[in-house]
Amino acid sequence: EVQLVETGGGLVQPGKSLKLTCATSGFTFSNAWMDWVRQSPEKQLEWVAQIKDKSNNYATYYAESVKGRFTISRDDSKSSVYLQMNSLKEEDTAIYYCTILDGPFDYWGQGVMVTVSS
Amino acid sequence: IQLTQSPSLLSASVGDRVTLSCKGSQNINNYLAWYQQKLGEAPKLLIYNTNSLQTGIPSRFSGSGSGTDYTLTISSLQPEDVATYFCYQYNNGYTFGSGTKLEIK
Repeated sequence: EVQLVETGGGLVQPGKSLKLTCATSGFTFSNAWMDWVRQSPEKQLEWVAQIKDKSNNYATYYAESVKGRFTISRDDSKSSVYLQMNSLKEEDTAIYYCTILDGPFDYWGQGVMVTVSS
Repeated sequence: IQLTQSPSLLSASVGDRVTLSCKGSQNINNYLAWYQQKLGEAPKLLIYNTNSLQTGIPSRFSGSGSGTDYTLTISSLQPEDVATYFCYQYNNGYTFGSGTKLEIK
């Protein structure tokens, strides 16, 4: 059974940093392209970042809204993907989902809440 | 690519045929998926590549469309279909629509 479990969320002040972790199991992680998707309090879904596999040189891609502030990374030995979030803004407040978006191979974690507020 | 979903709220009766619309600002080339999200849950994939039904999804759900215009149809609405439905394009970047909330009348 495929499992994606996000941790690391919480309340953080604007301008601060937070790192999310997604621990996975049940599939060949090293071959998977991993994505982070977030959902705002207004329920709007937004794709945030993607990291490809080793054969694609671990290429990374970001939404314009987070480019330069967020960094996606992975550790194939731990079957885990990470999202380092720096210079957080109030508009980054959302539920963050770790996902695999690959046609029918589509899986989402339960999500982790990130609240940016002073 | 921006996606516009309509209507934003739809109220229908059990057994009704329901149609949800998703329009792209550019050609999506059929790289369009539909998700169902129930309260407190992560989105669940229903349809991918415009009209391919995800494994385990009831056959009352179907997708169609081309170019910039796409549709999700529920042939006979069931009480368990109450949810918000999102379209998602992966032709050029990755974008979600703003959702259609489906209620039972």
